[in-house]
Amino acid sequence: GAVVSQHPSRVICKSGTSVKIECRSLDFQATTMFWYRQFPKQSLMLMATSNEGSKATYEQGVEKDKFLINHASLTLSTLTVTSAHPEDSSFYICSGSSSGGPTGELFFGEGSRLTVL
Amino acid sequence: KQEVTQIPAALSVPEGENLVLNCSFTDSAIYNLQWFRQDPGKGLTSLLLIQSSQREQTSGRLNASLDKSSGRSTLYIAASQPGDSATYLCAVSPSGGATNKLIFGTGTLLAVQP
Repeated sequence: GAVVSQHPSRVICKSGTSVKIECRSLDFQATTMFWYRQFPKQSLMLMATSNEGSKATYEQGVEKDKFLINHASLTLSTLTVTSAHPEDSSFYICSGSSSGGPTGELFFGEGSRLTVL
Repeated sequence: KQEVTQIPAALSVPEGENLVLNCSFTDSAIYNLQWFRQDPGKGLTSLLLIQSSQREQTSGRLNASLDKSSGRSTLYIAASQPGDSATYLCAVSPSGGATNKLIFGTGTLLAVQP
């Protein structure tokens, strides 16, 4: 299957600082990428849909000013958690599709674990 | 609003047993359903993808079925091995949208005892 790379895999930061997580599609071009969040012992919750060259679409309840998403190229999307607080500590996972459209298979990154002290 | 539920939440079986994981969804308007495996602290590995027009997919010891009208899917694992221990997630892609975003189930934590 297609490969999606996330960086960093783990990050610890102080409360109030900002953290950037990168998601790269290594062997395919992803017009659309998705960002998910997973709290301990819970399932994945979609945060936003990242569209190359345009603004991201956020799910209800997700603060767009806090979770900044940039999709500057067909192989890179970034998620920046601004002014992070301990409640933002979570596992963040991105995904992309190689085939585009609504029926394509999604491939996921390895995830990034954020711990805010 | 689409909701995806998985039963059981946790399952422990001895090595060699065949087992079935269940997934149900409330809205049958889907493009496809996908089964994933997640190891602790890791990302997701796609196991099987079933399009809405299909009834099942097979890969090795895995077989996934889809009954869209009843909102159910099962993942059958034959001859389970300790290496199959992981959390299994099912997810549906709601139809009507332009993208293939996924709604995930709650997961089944599988432990295969050697």
